[in-house]
Amino acid sequence: QQQVKQSPQSLIVQKGGISIINCAYENTAFDYFPWYQQFPGKGPALLIAIRPDVSEKKEGRFTISFNKSAKQFSLHIMDSQPGDSATYFCAATAIQGYQKVTFGIGTKLQVIP
Amino acid sequence: NAGVTQTPKFRILKIGQSMTLQCTQDMNHNYMYWYRQDPGMGLKLIYYSVGAGITDKGEVPNGYNVSRSTTEDFPLRLELAAPSQTSVYFCASSQGGGQGTDTQYFGPGTRLTVL
Repeated sequence: QQQVKQSPQSLIVQKGGISIINCAYENTAFDYFPWYQQFPGKGPALLIAIRPDVSEKKEGRFTISFNKSAKQFSLHIMDSQPGDSATYFCAATAIQGYQKVTFGIGTKLQVIP
Repeated sequence: NAGVTQTPKFRILKIGQSMTLQCTQDMNHNYMYWYRQDPGMGLKLIYYSVGAGITDKGEVPNGYNVSRSTTEDFPLRLELAAPSQTSVYFCASSQGGGQGTDTQYFGPGTRLTVL
């Protein structure tokens, strides 16, 4: 059972465009939603995260939008750059407990000049 | 701080062989994790530990074993390697302490091929 569904699996965006990655979750116990960024040959690294008490969080060109009633959240990368080319994982976890994080399957983003 | 280090970076095993993937962190984190990453499958949790001497199974523990004798080290043991264990393995750590918002820090990974 895939508890966090992520789409698309791959995405090609022109430089300067907006990259959008969508995720949906099923478990209502999830209350913390991080996004991880992974460059080729490297381990994932935390990019940005949100809690469901807010509908949006912005850090530079990266924005998470959160829809609690629909159990969906998305990552928007504004003014996408070739250096943003990486695999992005959405994730979900419950703040209480042993912090087991459930990851989406990942989206491979390629930003072309 | 080196963060989370993993050795080896690459390894080729024959079916039935055994090996240990090493993981060390120098951040004095309480929690440590092992994941495997397969194309199109995301990251799957194999085992995790909330402190020295305490380990528990994740989503895909079969074929693996772990131990946590110190805060710093969390080795992953593969017994009787099978082709299905061909994957990239990541170790991660986090501060823990019951705060689910803390960040997991990942190592660079070990690429394992079983032939």
